[in-house]
Amino acid sequence: DGGITQSPKYLFRKEGQNVTLSCEQNLNHDAMYWYRQDPGQGLRLIYYSQIVNDFQKGDIAEGYSVSREKKESFPLTVTSAQKNPTAFYLCASSIQGAAYEQYFGPGTRLTVT
Amino acid sequence: DAKTTQPTSMDCAEGRAANLPCNHSTISGNEYVYWYRQIHSQGPQYIIHGLKNNETNEMASLIITEDRKSSTLILPHATLRDTAVYYCIVRVEETSGSRLTFGEGTQLTVNP
Repeated sequence: DGGITQSPKYLFRKEGQNVTLSCEQNLNHDAMYWYRQDPGQGLRLIYYSQIVNDFQKGDIAEGYSVSREKKESFPLTVTSAQKNPTAFYLCASSIQGAAYEQYFGPGTRLTVT
Repeated sequence: DAKTTQPTSMDCAEGRAANLPCNHSTISGNEYVYWYRQIHSQGPQYIIHGLKNNETNEMASLIITEDRKSSTLILPHATLRDTAVYYCIVRVEETSGSRLTFGEGTQLTVNP
């Protein structure tokens, strides 16, 4: 089955630790995205990548970092500089030139205490 | 991208049509209307999009007014599994990948 996988579904960390969230897709999509969602709110874009070895900041990139070494993978690191890291994180991908139709993964719920 | 306005919540009886409105009075001529939905604690799912003609697919129908200032997503026979937050998004269909701006959407609750 083609799709996007995110792991783990739930993640718990202590404050001050960096944590990396996994996102893998086998849809052969060029573009990939990371969003953050807080309770009762819409999604906000953190980073996106249109091609391997290239990525751009979204609306709330501070405290986050990404890499895109392979087409299939777009990991997100939540650093200790992110002041409110507890949130639901969603990864998505799309065909190049069709960003309007994004395919989303199941999400990772990160809790930092 | 044009701003959209949606009701915060709506209810619908199972088996009946669910009509979800969206206002986008500042929409530009080259902006499309997109609909996504998000079932609780899952990733959003693309539903349908259109420019000015009405569109229909296996999931829903999209009705866009002639002046394009508003639209309605129609789920013809709502089921309990259609309970979700529905997002109306207006943006240009660009050739390069970029963001989707998700607002707070409409929480649709389908009741048995």
